[in-house]
Amino acid sequence: AQSVSQHNHHVILSEAASLELGCNYSYGGTVNLFWYVQYPGQHLQLLLKYFSGDPLVKGIKGFEAEFIKSKFSFNLRKPSVQWSDTAEYFCAVISNQAGTALIFGKGTTLSVSS
Amino acid sequence: DAGITQSPRHKVTETGTPVTLRCHQTENHRYMYWYRQDPGHGLRLIHYSYGVKDTDKGEVSDGYSVSRSKTEDFLLTLESATSSQTSVYFCAISGGQGVRTEAFFGQGTRLTVV
Repeated sequence: AQSVSQHNHHVILSEAASLELGCNYSYGGTVNLFWYVQYPGQHLQLLLKYFSGDPLVKGIKGFEAEFIKSKFSFNLRKPSVQWSDTAEYFCAVISNQAGTALIFGKGTTLSVSS
Repeated sequence: DAGITQSPRHKVTETGTPVTLRCHQTENHRYMYWYRQDPGHGLRLIHYSYGVKDTDKGEVSDGYSVSRSKTEDFLLTLESATSSQTSVYFCAISGGQGVRTEAFFGQGTRLTVV
């Protein structure tokens, strides 16, 4: 079945550590890719998005992600995390093979200790 | 924040009663979505709309119906609420000016079915 997979359920890091969260999707065709963040008790906010062009996209708060089409991946990275990055992170995909629905992965909880 | 209002924000209801959640947007976006968020499951798509009176089912549509009689409103109805429908429900919009864009989320509705 077509899906979006986030490999890490819970990641625990110390401040200043580097972060990489994995995201793979199984949809073919043309895809639009997103990473969202949800801080405790809040709604989802967009971190970054890929529609076309440069596969390395930069988002807010120092986050970036790389689209690797051959690997069906869109991994999220940040060189140095802060305590305030503690949140849940969701990868999402729109595929022209999946209609107009925006499909999410199950999310990764990031806990950063100071 | 995008102009999305969900109502009510919190609701407690009894098993077997009908419940309607409302999503109202002021952005004139074409696409509207209803998701439920549960621990360990991420966001799962319930129903979505790609225009007035145009709706389609998502991954977890059983027990839910939707209606969109005008661009700005997307209603989610639980015909007969069950305890398994206790969740946080998020509305999202996308597609301003008919162009595919990222989704913007409402603040969520916490529904408890007792």
